[in-house]
Amino acid sequence: NAGVMQNPRHLVRRRGQEARLRCSPMKGHSHVYWYRQLPEEGLKFMVYLQKENIIDESGMPKERFSAEFPKEGPSILRIQQVVRGDSAAYFCASSPNQGANNEKLFFGSGTQLSVL
Amino acid sequence: EDQVTQSPEALRLQEGESSSLNCSYTVSGLRGLFWYRQDPGKGPEFLFTLYSAGEEKEKERLKATLTKKESFLHITAPKPEDSATYLCAVQAKGGATNKLIFGTGTLLAVQP
Repeated sequence: NAGVMQNPRHLVRRRGQEARLRCSPMKGHSHVYWYRQLPEEGLKFMVYLQKENIIDESGMPKERFSAEFPKEGPSILRIQQVVRGDSAAYFCASSPNQGANNEKLFFGSGTQLSVL
Repeated sequence: EDQVTQSPEALRLQEGESSSLNCSYTVSGLRGLFWYRQDPGKGPEFLFTLYSAGEEKEKERLKATLTKKESFLHITAPKPEDSATYLCAVQAKGGATNKLIFGTGTLLAVQP
């Protein structure tokens, strides 16, 4: 059973370009979370999605950032007009459902975004 | 505001030298406290979930405990392969998500 798959592992962009980060959750998981990890900082929640719905985007910057999780295909985190401050490791996590008990999150290996 | 503070930031141990990592938290209502391990270049790997004060969980050389204000990750007779960053995170009650609030981690180095 493959884990959470993220690609690319490393992404280099120049200022002003667009970055697209992809995440395929574990098989059977319909909940996806995106986190960002800046150097010397902890993982910060960005957005939570279910298939075709954004449930909580309270951690995502209002401008330039967007996320989707279509009915078919991976979840996409899109960053438009990247700036140097967007350089970070972006992690995707998935869980099977939103039951009454806590669901632990399974993380991918991340995408390291470097903005030149 | 919900918050997680981990200490120490870094810890160097000799192989076999037991120690504890601390996670202090402030949360409006605790739904669960999680410990993860993160190796360089990898995503966090789940270790434990604790739900209520007094609860303990063990896995090999690791034992996690929980009080109303903090959690400890005890490492007994560590080995070099235990070297990693250990992350603590909390889930708060209420809301529609299982989002985690992470601390900045403790970087553990175990020397042979």
